[in-house]
Amino acid sequence: DAGVIQSPRHEVTEMGQEVTLRCKPISGHDYLFWYRQTMMRGLELLIYFNNNVPIDDSGMPEDRFSAKMPNASFSTLKIQPSEPRDSAVYFCASSGQGAHGNTIYFGEGSWLTVV
Amino acid sequence: DAKTTQPPSMDCAEGRAANLPCNHSTISGNEYVYWYRQIHSQGPQYIIHGLKNNETNEMASLIITEDRKSSTLILPHATLRDTAVYYCIVRPWNSGNTPLVFGKGTRLSVIA
Repeated sequence: DAGVIQSPRHEVTEMGQEVTLRCKPISGHDYLFWYRQTMMRGLELLIYFNNNVPIDDSGMPEDRFSAKMPNASFSTLKIQPSEPRDSAVYFCASSGQGAHGNTIYFGEGSWLTVV
Repeated sequence: DAKTTQPPSMDCAEGRAANLPCNHSTISGNEYVYWYRQIHSQGPQYIIHGLKNNETNEMASLIITEDRKSSTLILPHATLRDTAVYYCIVRPWNSGNTPLVFGKGTRLSVIA
């Protein structure tokens, strides 16, 4: 089975530009999570969805960040405008029912550098 | 905040068993113990989870004390590819999928 697929894997952008990160969860999973990882703060939850509906977005740092899930197989995390402090690795993860029950599976991440 | 305590780093000789401890003294009755690892430049990878019985799979064994206040992840024959940060996480097992809350983990270095 294909795992969680994220794109782009790497992005370098200039401060002030819009950044869009994309995620395709594992087929059949009904939960989707966005995490951010930095050296200073480690892995932190930004937002998560259930059946395409946002459940908890309290981890979204500020209004510059937004996330959507228009259907069960696609989600985006958008930063507008981007700032150098947004440089981090952004992970998407999904979970659902099945052999591993509620186990959460992660993608390989999107490495963002804002200069 | 993470509800677990792990040593920041450990070394292990290649081919030997790696025993990674975790304290979770405030664990609740409905919380499972999960272990994930993160190899450099990759996403976190699920290893194993358990409630109160010892568990074993193709990757590792999980030993949970009878009072459930601590656990040990055992990699029976560590290889260089097991060098990673290992996270111990407690998480409620309910009808929903509660997000994982990561602490700092243990950085395991497997040495040739």
